[in-house]
Order: sequence, then C-alpha cells, then structure tokens
Amino acid sequence: DTGVSQDPRHKITKRGQNVTFRCDPISEHNRLYWYRQTLGQGPEFLTYFQNEAQLEKSRLLSDRFSAERPKGSFSTLEIQRTEQGDSAMYLCASSKISSYQASPNVLTFGAGSRLTVL
Amino acid sequence: EDQVTQSPEALRLQEGESSSLNCSYTVSGLRGLFWYRQDPGKGPEFLFTLYSAGEEKEKERLKATLTKKESFLHITAPKPEDSATYLCALTDSWGKLQFGAGTQVVVTP
Repeated sequence: DTGVSQDPRHKITKRGQNVTFRCDPISEHNRLYWYRQTLGQGPEFLTYFQNEAQLEKSRLLSDRFSAERPKGSFSTLEIQRTEQGDSAMYLCASSKISSYQASPNVLTFGAGSRLTVL
Repeated sequence: EDQVTQSPEALRLQEGESSSLNCSYTVSGLRGLFWYRQDPGKGPEFLFTLYSAGEEKEKERLKATLTKKESFLHITAPKPEDSATYLCALTDSWGKLQFGAGTQVVVTP
C-alpha cells in the first residue's frame, strides 16, 4: 500500500475560482478525515466520513466548502468562490476503526494539498 | 471546551543536547493523547499514543510521558534528522484529533 495520496500537491488559483482536491485513503480504512493547516499552526479539523457517510462538519467549514466520499473510497473536497483566507495546506487522513477495536485510532496523513489564492 | 497548548513554540538544539517539549491539556475525560512528527511540506507522522497518567512510550531517541495535566516529549541526544515540528493532539470519542500549534525543533550539528 502506498499510503494516503492527495492530488494536486499544489494549486494556485485566483480569488473567486473553484478548486477541488482529491484524497485516496489506505484501501482498508473506513474513516477519512479532512484537516486544514496554516503556517505555524497545527491541523484544524474540517470534516470526516465513515465509509460514505459524512458524520461531522466543523463550524470552520463554510457553505463554500463541500466534501464527498462516494462509495466509501476516495474523497473530494471542493471550495467554491475561493477567498485569500482559504490559502492553506489541506490534509487528508484515514484510519481503520471498528466497534471491537482495542488499539488506538491512529490517523495516517497524506502529504497534503497546498492552496494559494491570489 | 478541550484545549491543547504546546511550548515552546520553537527550540534550537545542538546535536547531543537533550531537551523536553511540553503539551498542556484540559479535557473533561481523556480518551488519548497523541504525538505526531511533521517534516516541512509533509503530513504529520504518528509517533505515540498515551492513555493514562504515568504511562510512558519510547522510540529511538524519543520518550513520551503523561500526567493528568500535561505530556512531555523528551528528546535524548538529538541528531539533525530529529529536526521537525512535533505536534500533540487530543482524541475524542469519535476518533477526531484536536491538535496543538506544535513545537518546531531544529538540531544543528
């Protein structure tokens, strides 16, 4: 397994444009998380899925943000009408969790997609 | 509301100079405290999970400890390859992580 893959790694866009990021999790992982990280800060939770169901969205996730995970495999994060404040690293992570899991829910992160909004 | 505070923000060490990073937390019920390492331009990489006060975990030159209010990451005789940002995080009952701002460590030869 190659780990969590994110695409594109870098995206430069003009204010007002739409952008979409893709995340391919580790194949047997049923949980998928999106985080956002700005310079000098730790990652901030945006949303997460268990299989194809989106279970929680952060208050940070405005109406311009939408995430999907069709068929419980890859996920996309779309930002509409980008603003300069959206410039950040968008991190995807996945994990395997079950009702009987005794070991910790360790999130495996991808390398991130860096967004620059001009 | 759960909170995670890391100190110092940055740490510059000479190779071989041991030191400790602090992660202070407030939480209604601890379900787990995680340490991650993050290299520039990469995602965080898992190091340790601690669950209860008194617990300790070790990996090479790193040792993590936990009390009821804070966790320490001790770096013993660091090498330049230990240079990274070290993040601590609390987990909730749904497996989400709440991260601190991190400590950037630079180890010079």
